[in-house]
Amino acid sequence: DTGVSQNPRHKITKRGQNVTFRCDPISEHNRLYWYRQTLGQGPEFLTYFQNEAQLEKSRLLSDRFSAERPKGSFSTLEIQRTEQGDSAMYLCASSLRSRGRFVGAFFGQGTRLTVV
Amino acid sequence: GDSVTQMEGPVTLSEEAFLTINCTYTATGYPSLFWYVQYPGEGLQLLLKATKADDKGSNKGFEATYRKETTSFHLEKGSVQVSDSAVYFCALSDRSGGGADGLTFGKGTHLIIQP
Repeated sequence: DTGVSQNPRHKITKRGQNVTFRCDPISEHNRLYWYRQTLGQGPEFLTYFQNEAQLEKSRLLSDRFSAERPKGSFSTLEIQRTEQGDSAMYLCASSLRSRGRFVGAFFGQGTRLTVV
Repeated sequence: GDSVTQMEGPVTLSEEAFLTINCTYTATGYPSLFWYVQYPGEGLQLLLKATKADDKGSNKGFEATYRKETTSFHLEKGSVQVSDSAVYFCALSDRSGGGADGLTFGKGTHLIIQP
């Protein structure tokens, strides 16, 4: 399978615990994105990387959230001191710019986080 | 800021009916426009795209035309099938405004096709 892969698919955690999610993008894609999706809403942009550099972070990304892409390949998203409001689907996507124009991102199946 | 507005669902149609899902947008620059589809239990899939005014994106019998004058990108299909039942998201990417390629999504429209 050469698509975007996310692990785990589901995570249940107690409030206050830390969680970490992993994303493996399509291998030749240099851009990687994290989104959050809550029930009945469209995905909301959190952050993106070009290779290993984190180039933009949304105001939705509080100080408890941190993302890394250490070698420009896979990425991790960590949430510290989880809160019930963090319960959502966390989506990873990757893309490759074509002739300077964005041609669309390819999404993984997501990690569903439930904070109890 | 950028935003996408799409018709609220659920939209329920009979098989072979004509489908239109409206989508309008606001953007500070000159965005690229996309439709994504999410089938039950699956991830988001890119359905079609258009990167400049008057472009028509098409895939799997679905079409959408980039209308700059009306800031719209309505999704259409001439004859829907039960297998088209899914949630459809309209989205834009507005890098010309200086931001990243992050997508701004609408809330999604749940389409239900009855046999």
